[in-house]
Amino acid sequence: QKEVEQDPGPLSVPEGAIVSLNCTYSNSAFQYFMWYRQYSRKGPELLMYTYSSGNKEDGRFTAQVDKSSKYISLFIRDSQPSDSATYLCAMSINTGTASKLTFGTGTRLQVTL
Amino acid sequence: DVKVTQSSRYLVKRTGEKVFLECVQDMDHENMFWYRQDPGLGLRLIYFSYDVKMKEKGDIPEGYSVSREKKERFSLILESASTNQTSMYLCASSPAGFVDTIYFGEGSWLTVV
Repeated sequence: QKEVEQDPGPLSVPEGAIVSLNCTYSNSAFQYFMWYRQYSRKGPELLMYTYSSGNKEDGRFTAQVDKSSKYISLFIRDSQPSDSATYLCAMSINTGTASKLTFGTGTRLQVTL
Repeated sequence: DVKVTQSSRYLVKRTGEKVFLECVQDMDHENMFWYRQDPGLGLRLIYFSYDVKMKEKGDIPEGYSVSREKKERFSLILESASTNQTSMYLCASSPAGFVDTIYFGEGSWLTVV
């Protein structure tokens, strides 16, 4: 079983829809949770990060963490064609030096006009 | 803005060749990473470094080595390239103690024939 599971999609939604992207994990030691967006043939870019259960909002994006269920989500409101990308969840344990990130495999999102 | 630069975007190498992938970051970050990304497998950590001349193995170090002689530069070396090392390679950096804010380069697409 992978430490982080993420549905690969593709997920296709019409412009303006609310998108829900999810990851589950098995390692209860994970402390930090991140979402990255990756456009085709580009490196991932950090969208949001959080280190506690609950919600964190940034513009049209909301990250949600439920540590009791080992489940994280990213919601995108009023989705735009420019949101079409692969979304990667990532998690880490801080060991004090250089902690390792464990990534999900990514969900490909297509927002159509 | 943080800039992580991978000097070679697209390379084609022959089996058995020695391959160098170079990465430079301009934000004085202590931590640097090399990942490879493959469809269905996500990002997997090859090596990371939390200081000059320091290195630690990631999840898939076999067939790779790294060099960090200067803080801003982290090189990935494939001693004898093989076809199963055809992949996208991503370099990343982060400040000390803040692995949750990791910044990626654009990626290097390596094809081994």
